[in-house]
Amino acid sequence: QQQVKQSPQSLIVQKGGISIINCAYENTAFDYFPWYQQFPGKGPALLIAIRPDVSEKKEGRFTISFNKSAKQFSLHIMDSQPGDSATYFCAASMGGSARQLTFGSGTQLTVLP
Amino acid sequence: DSGVTQTPKHLITATGQRVTLRCSPRSGDLSVYWYQQSLDQGLQFLIQYYNGEERAKGNILERFSAQQFPDLHSELNLSSLELGDSALYFCASSVEPSGSRGEQYFGPGTRLTVT
Repeated sequence: QQQVKQSPQSLIVQKGGISIINCAYENTAFDYFPWYQQFPGKGPALLIAIRPDVSEKKEGRFTISFNKSAKQFSLHIMDSQPGDSATYFCAASMGGSARQLTFGSGTQLTVLP
Repeated sequence: DSGVTQTPKHLITATGQRVTLRCSPRSGDLSVYWYQQSLDQGLQFLIQYYNGEERAKGNILERFSAQQFPDLHSELNLSSLELGDSALYFCASSVEPSGSRGEQYFGPGTRLTVT
């Protein structure tokens, strides 16, 4: 029940296209859903995050769509650029005395020039 | 740059040995998390400290231990190392362990290779 399932495992998109990565969770106690971007040799960097009281959050070219009833959320990257080529991880955490992140398995995004 | 620092960047050691990984959180952050990233297990939570006290344990082996010092830096100790412990170890920090501020900021990681 702690799992976060992420798909696809890899994604190839043309420059200027839309990249879409999907995640699903089981535990309804999760109340914070961040996305992280990781470049080779670097640590994960917080990209954007959402809480279940909203259905969408947009920051620049990055949008999270959240469907509470389906227990799914997705990352949309508009106007994808070669510099967006990285591994993307969705994650979830719940409130309480600790907020450890449960990560999805990651999506390797390649944006072709 | 997240403001979280980790040392060393790379570590190569032999099976059976013991190593210590160090993490300094962002200025003002009281909570430190340790994660392990491997090809087969992905990113997994190990342990969390808040202001010197252990708050949560995840998939951390008994051979591993951690602590957070009064200056808030943290150390992850890995002992009796096995080949399977080879991985990237990340430290993350946040302002508080719970509540509305869930953002965690990750350091650059320590790549551990056990030979």
